[in-house]
Amino acid sequence: DIQMTQSPSSLSASVGDRVTITCQASQDISKSLNWYQQKPRRAPKLLIYDASNLETGVPSRFSGSGSGTQFTFTISSLQPEDIATYYCQQYDNLPRYTFGQGTKLEIK
Amino acid sequence: QVQLQESGPGLVKPSQTLSLTCTVSGGSISSAGNYWSWIRQIPGKGLEWIGYIYKRGSTYYNPSLKSRVTISLDMSKNQFSLKLNAVTAADTAVYYCARAGLRLGEISPSGFDPWGQGTLVTVSS
Repeated sequence: DIQMTQSPSSLSASVGDRVTITCQASQDISKSLNWYQQKPRRAPKLLIYDASNLETGVPSRFSGSGSGTQFTFTISSLQPEDIATYYCQQYDNLPRYTFGQGTKLEIK
Repeated sequence: QVQLQESGPGLVKPSQTLSLTCTVSGGSISSAGNYWSWIRQIPGKGLEWIGYIYKRGSTYYNPSLKSRVTISLDMSKNQFSLKLNAVTAADTAVYYCARAGLRLGEISPSGFDPWGQGTLVTVSS
């Protein structure tokens, strides 16, 4: 299976900060990557697909980039409601979907 | 919009079968392009895709669980179900149902949205 490694595993930032999370795939997955947001005690929500495309209704402060094995998820200006755990998920080797271990984002 | 809701026992004994049902509202499970999925989240760990089913009954399972998993559809109730056999404590998790929909040009779904709220299943005697 393709392994997805996220870093950092946890992150503390201030409101207004630029926040970046990385996801590394164990092999080339082109742009076959999604990003999810999971707020406390809630189900995950799909934010970004195909590495860089925002789902409808997702605020533009969220963005994604990358291809191959290295991917980045960015929040341009952190808001209090962005407190959540973020997961990457690959879909290159279908139907074997795998997720990263998550990055827990907290407010300083 | 489509909404999903899991239901089933919250406690299962070791070696028994875990059974969960997902009720879909706001859309039909027989609609084209939608795969109906189960995903679990082991406490303190990440997410694990279990498998999904398409309207014609085609199923696709995670190889690591394939020998123990069955996903089925009940069109009359607009529901789909998960059965996981021979459970152990390692199967204790929050179980989510989710839709995996085909985007334009896709032959297999790429992502999962929306999800149900999740249900905790504990395996313990």
